[in-house]
Amino acid sequence: DIQMTQSPSSLSASVGDRVTITCRASQSISSYLNWYQQKPGKAPKLLIYAASSLQSGVPSRFSGSGSGTDFTLTISSLQPEDFATYYCQQSYSTPRITFGPGTKVDIK
Amino acid sequence: EVQLVESGGGLVQPGGSLRLSCAASGFTFSSYEMNWVRQAPGKGLEWVSYISSSGSTIYYADSVKGRFTISRDNAKNSLYLQMNSLRAEDTAVYYCARDDIVVVPAAQDYYYYYMDVWGKGTTVTVSS
Repeated sequence: DIQMTQSPSSLSASVGDRVTITCRASQSISSYLNWYQQKPGKAPKLLIYAASSLQSGVPSRFSGSGSGTDFTLTISSLQPEDFATYYCQQSYSTPRITFGPGTKVDIK
Repeated sequence: EVQLVESGGGLVQPGGSLRLSCAASGFTFSSYEMNWVRQAPGKGLEWVSYISSSGSTIYYADSVKGRFTISRDNAKNSLYLQMNSLRAEDTAVYYCARDDIVVVPAAQDYYYYYMDVWGKGTTVTVSS
């Protein structure tokens, strides 16, 4: 199975900050990497697919990059509605997909 | 509006059974592959099961194989998860999620998969 790790596990940031979350795969997954946002008590929401493609309706302050084993999700200017937990997910071994453990972004 | 609505969750004793349903609307259900994903209290996301658009191809996570059965009824726009021999560790919110795909550039027969539509979830609690 492909294992996913994320760092940091949590971070505190202020509105307007640039935030970067890292995701690493246990083997090369090319660009088969998706990012989701989840707020408490809500379902996950797709932000980025195929490592860098922005899902329709998602603000352009979100961006994704990377290929192979190392990926990043960047929020260029953190907004109040962005405080949430972010998960990466590999689709290389679809349908046996795996998620990262999540990164919680909260208010400093 | 594209929508998935789960139902069927509840409190069940260890060893018991439960059947979850997911009602789809706003899109051509029969054209999409579907998944169940769960989230234990305070934990991350765990993929549970996958079913192809026709229902002919099915996969399970090792943690539920032999105990859970995924199925679908395209005429009723519905996805199901039959859960037997339930354990305390199956306690979670269960989400149904739609798979969408895009072709990998310059690789015609390869696709990027992602789960673009999720239901709000249904809670399963396994406890005596």
